Amino acid sequence: NAGVTQTPKFRVLKTGQSMTLLCAQDMNHEYMYWYRQDPGMGLRLIHYSVGEGTTAKGEVPDGYNVSRLKKQNFLLGLESAAPSQTSVYFCASSYDGGSEHFGPGTRLTVT
Amino acid sequence: GIQVEQSPPDLILQEGANSTLRCNFSDSVNNLQWFHQNPWGQLINLFYIPSGTKQNGRLSATTVATERYSLLYISSSQTTDSGVYFCAVESYNTDKLIFGTGTRLQVFP
Repeated sequence: NAGVTQTPKFRVLKTGQSMTLLCAQDMNHEYMYWYRQDPGMGLRLIHYSVGEGTTAKGEVPDGYNVSRLKKQNFLLGLESAAPSQTSVYFCASSYDGGSEHFGPGTRLTVT
Repeated sequence: GIQVEQSPPDLILQEGANSTLRCNFSDSVNNLQWFHQNPWGQLINLFYIPSGTKQNGRLSATTVATERYSLLYISSSQTTDSGVYFCAVESYNTDKLIFGTGTRLQVFP
């Protein structure tokens, strides 16, 4: 099993550009999450999903959108990137809202 | 919302020493997890422990839910234990894990 994978690993955007981050899991997990981690801080939840076709807002949802069209994939979109969105983005999944398993992260820089 | 405080913020140990990391939280929880983020940024789930005690090799964790704290014990520390340890909690009727700011551990040979 590959576990949780994220694409891409690194990305540089200019202010105003858009992009989509892809998270995939092969563990048949119901729950999926997107977090951001800023220097010296813990992780903050952006959006999450409790099952295929569902999404919900986390702590810091503004400026992001998500979609969960397939159970194994969870997409995070930035419609108009801002420098404040420079961060490391982590995807995670869990079977039933319990123990979470994390992907390797995506380092995003917005200039 | 629920508050999560971890202590100490930084810890420096020599290989072989034992340590205790603490996580205090401000409300009742139905989910508590400990994670290790290694120096390369990878997050590893150590324990899912909303209550009780668990052990995994040199690591063990105890959560006293009624007193709103959890402890992570690391025995006979090794250089590979270095990194940041995060506690994360979830209140009842939410699906959101709230992370503490972590304890940065450095283990020297």
